[in-house]
Amino acid sequence: DIVMTQSPDSLAVSLGERATINCKSSLSVLYSSNRKNYLAWYQQKPGQPPKLLIFWASSRESGVPDRFSGSGSGTDFTLTISSLQAEDVAVYYCQQYYTTPLTFGGGTKVEIK
Amino acid sequence: QLQLQGSGSRLVKPSQTLSLTCTVSGGSISSGGYFWSWIRQPPGKGLEWIGHVYHTGDTYYNPTLKSRVTMSVDRSKNQFSLEMSSVTASDTAIYYCARARIPGAERTWFDPWGQGILVTVSS
Repeated sequence: DIVMTQSPDSLAVSLGERATINCKSSLSVLYSSNRKNYLAWYQQKPGQPPKLLIFWASSRESGVPDRFSGSGSGTDFTLTISSLQAEDVAVYYCQQYYTTPLTFGGGTKVEIK
Repeated sequence: QLQLQGSGSRLVKPSQTLSLTCTVSGGSISSGGYFWSWIRQPPGKGLEWIGHVYHTGDTYYNPTLKSRVTMSVDRSKNQFSLEMSSVTASDTAIYYCARARIPGAERTWFDPWGQGILVTVSS
């Protein structure tokens, strides 16, 4: 199984400041034939299901604010919230879909400082 | 707009079988060639993929759960289902149904998700 490790477990950021979440996979999730990274990011608010933010590591889902961006390749990925808003308080998860079993990171909790 | 709604037993006794159903509205479970998925989340913890089922009945299961899991589709009711046998307290979780996003692909992300059902395993 591909193990997804997120860091930090939690972070507190001031409103308007940048939040950076890291996700590392135990094996590369870059598919050589199409040069795509098989990685997605989700946001989960309390009492709600996860909401898709990013797929193919850097493609933003329709309707997701452009302050959310994904980057990275191979085994190391980053989700950046460029200017944290109050409504961004949530837990964020990465997920690899390079191979089954599909696996998720342990989550990063983002709070307001 | 596609919507998924889970239903089923919220309290299951240890060693018994957990049974859940997801009803799809706003679209046909047979169209588009998507896999339909179950994912669970123990209270306060992370997410675990349980498996997918295709409208033909083809399935992909997480190997860690494969021996206890059965998924099926009822196209006439636009529903798909999960059964998990021999449950223990460690199976207590919120169970989400979701659609796999890439048509025909078992390796995909998930969108949309249902609201989730908290299933508690306790005597």
